[in-house]
Amino acid sequence: DIVMTQSPDSLAVSLGERATINCKSSQSVLYSSNNKNDLTWYQQKPGQPPKLLIYWASTRESGVPDRFSGSGSGTDFTLTISSLQAEDVAVYYCQQYYSSPLTFGGGTKVEIK
Amino acid sequence: QITLKESGPTLVKPTQTLTLTCTFSGFSLSTTGVGVGWIRQPPGKALEWLALIYWDDDKRYRPSLKSRLTITKDTSKNQVVLTMTNMDPVDTATYYCAHRNTGSYAFDIWGQGTMVTVSS
Repeated sequence: DIVMTQSPDSLAVSLGERATINCKSSQSVLYSSNNKNDLTWYQQKPGQPPKLLIYWASTRESGVPDRFSGSGSGTDFTLTISSLQAEDVAVYYCQQYYSSPLTFGGGTKVEIK
Repeated sequence: QITLKESGPTLVKPTQTLTLTCTFSGFSLSTTGVGVGWIRQPPGKALEWLALIYWDDDKRYRPSLKSRLTITKDTSKNQVVLTMTNMDPVDTATYYCAHRNTGSYAFDIWGQGTMVTVSS
């Protein structure tokens, strides 16, 4: 199984400041045939299902604000919220779909400082 | 517009079999590339993928639970059913079904989830 490790477990950021979440996979999730990383980011607010933010590590889902961006390749990935808004308080998960079983990271809780 | 909705019992006893139904609209599970997955989340914990069924009836399971899980589809009813045998209190969780996007391969649309408690 590919193990997804997120860091930090939680972070508190002031409104308008940058939030950075890291995700590391135990093996590469770069699909060589199309040079895309099979890595997604989800946002989950309390009492709600996860919402897809980013796929292929860096492609923003339609309707997702451009303050959310994803980067990285191979085994190391980052989700950045460039200017934290109050509505961004949530838990964020990375997930690989390179191979079965599909695996999620442990989640990172983002709060307002 | 794609929607999915989970249904099933809210309470099951240990050793019983859980049967959950995902009823969806806005897509067909007979369309090439389409998939529906099940993911669960114990209270206060992380997401855990359970199973995935594709348009061609190919099925994938979480290895550690494979002996207990069965996923099936009824294309005519637009439903996907997940059964989990020998339920245990550690299986207490919110169970979600989700649409797997044919282009991105991500779970792009999720149901609201159904909370299942395992207790005698």
